[in-house]
Amino acid sequence: GAGVSQSPSNKVTEKGKDVELRCDPISGHTALYWYRQSLGQGLEFLIYFQGNSAPDKSGLPSDRFSAERTGGSVSTLTIQRTQQEDSAVYLCASSSLYEQFFGPGTRLTVL
Amino acid sequence: RKEVEQDPGPFNVPEGATVAFNCTYSNSASQSFFWYRQDCRKEPKLLMSVYSSGNEDGRFTAQLNRASQYISLLIRDSKLSDSATYLCVVNSYNQGGKLIFGQGTELSVKP
Repeated sequence: GAGVSQSPSNKVTEKGKDVELRCDPISGHTALYWYRQSLGQGLEFLIYFQGNSAPDKSGLPSDRFSAERTGGSVSTLTIQRTQQEDSAVYLCASSSLYEQFFGPGTRLTVL
Repeated sequence: RKEVEQDPGPFNVPEGATVAFNCTYSNSASQSFFWYRQDCRKEPKLLMSVYSSGNEDGRFTAQLNRASQYISLLIRDSKLSDSATYLCVVNSYNQGGKLIFGQGTELSVKP
C-alpha cells in the first residue's frame, strides 16, 4: 500500500541501549512528524520536519532524543541510552496540505 | 495553558444518544481545524475537517466559532462502533503549518 510505514513494529531493549526507529512517509508528502503515546495518554509531539526548513525540535524531551530526515523522505528517530520512561508507542505521520496520515507505530519497551 | 484543550471524559452514553464534544484553542492565528478519531491501540485517523460555516457528514456535525476560539463535534444516534477517543486538531500558519493535537475525549457507547 501507499501508506506511512514504520519499523520495527515492536522493539524490546535494555536500559542504557540505543535504539533507532524508522519511518517511511507517503511519497510526495513534505511534512513529517514524530509523536509518542504512552498507554492511555494523549499524543506527545516530538519533532516536525517541513520541506527543507529547519526542523521544529521543541517537543524532544531530552538530548538523548534526535531525529533526521534524509533526502526529504525517510526519517529516523534515535534514542540514546534508553530509560524505562521511554517505553511508549512512537508514531510517525506525514502530511500533504493539511491532512495527516499516521503510521501504525513502533511499540518500544525498555526493560 | 495548553494550546488545544479538550474535556478528557470519559463520556459514557447509551446507543442512540446524542453526544457533543468541545474543544478550545489558544492561538488566534489558527486557520485549519479537524477532528481525528483514535481507536484503542490504533493510530489516529481523520474523521472530518471543520469549516467556518459548519459542516455535516452523516451523523457527525462539526462547528467552529472563531470569535470564541471554540470547536465542537456532535454525534447523533450514537452507535457502539463510535466508541473511541476523539482528538481536536488545530493548524496555525504562524507555527510553520504544524498541526497541534488536543489530548482527546474518550467516548464509550453502551448497548
